[in-house]
Amino acid sequence: KNEVEQSPQNLTAQEGEFITINCSYSVGISALHWLQQHPGGGIVSLFMLSSGKKKHGRLIATINIQEKHSSLHITASHPRDSAVYICAVRWGNYQLIWGAGTKLIIKP
Amino acid sequence: DTGVSQNPRHKITKRGQNVTFRCDPISEHNRLYWYRQTLGQGPEFLTYFQNEAQLEKSRLLSDRFSAERPKGSFSTLEIQRTEQGDSAMYLCASSLTQGFNYGYTFGSGTRLTVV
Repeated sequence: KNEVEQSPQNLTAQEGEFITINCSYSVGISALHWLQQHPGGGIVSLFMLSSGKKKHGRLIATINIQEKHSSLHITASHPRDSAVYICAVRWGNYQLIWGAGTKLIIKP
Repeated sequence: DTGVSQNPRHKITKRGQNVTFRCDPISEHNRLYWYRQTLGQGPEFLTYFQNEAQLEKSRLLSDRFSAERPKGSFSTLEIQRTEQGDSAMYLCASSLTQGFNYGYTFGSGTRLTVV
């Protein structure tokens, strides 16, 4: 069993739909990151969470430390949101343990 | 400062050749990390520096790999005698150390193809 599991692995939706990507982890963590990776390979850090909820534009990230679960939501999805979304947990002082990613395709 | 810069963006090399990649982190970031990502996988940790000191190396980093950060600013990752299995995206990230409340900034990566 992987220490960080994401679901779904693949998600295709229509423009405007509300998107939810889930991340569950089994290790004790100091923080959880949501990252976005585009086809060219570049990675953008979206959120870093250690508790509660954060919002940036149409993106919302929540974390429940007791349940070891986090969700990334995208409201009013747009084709430019198409990317791979990766959940990574920070374990110890520097190590990131990565989920396998969720490939999101938003169709116009 | 516009972020973490990696050069080159793409590198194609013949098996057995040596390659060197460069990473320029955000100037005030004292931590610098190297990751490797193969197709369809999440990034794997390779090594990290705090200032000029290399504090940890993954077991993934064989003797053919060496990384330096001589002045605590930019870093280089060298692969000697490249093998086809070295083909991957090599990602660099940097961060500050502020207890547990710091985030990472990633570069765009260097895609290595060994033919």
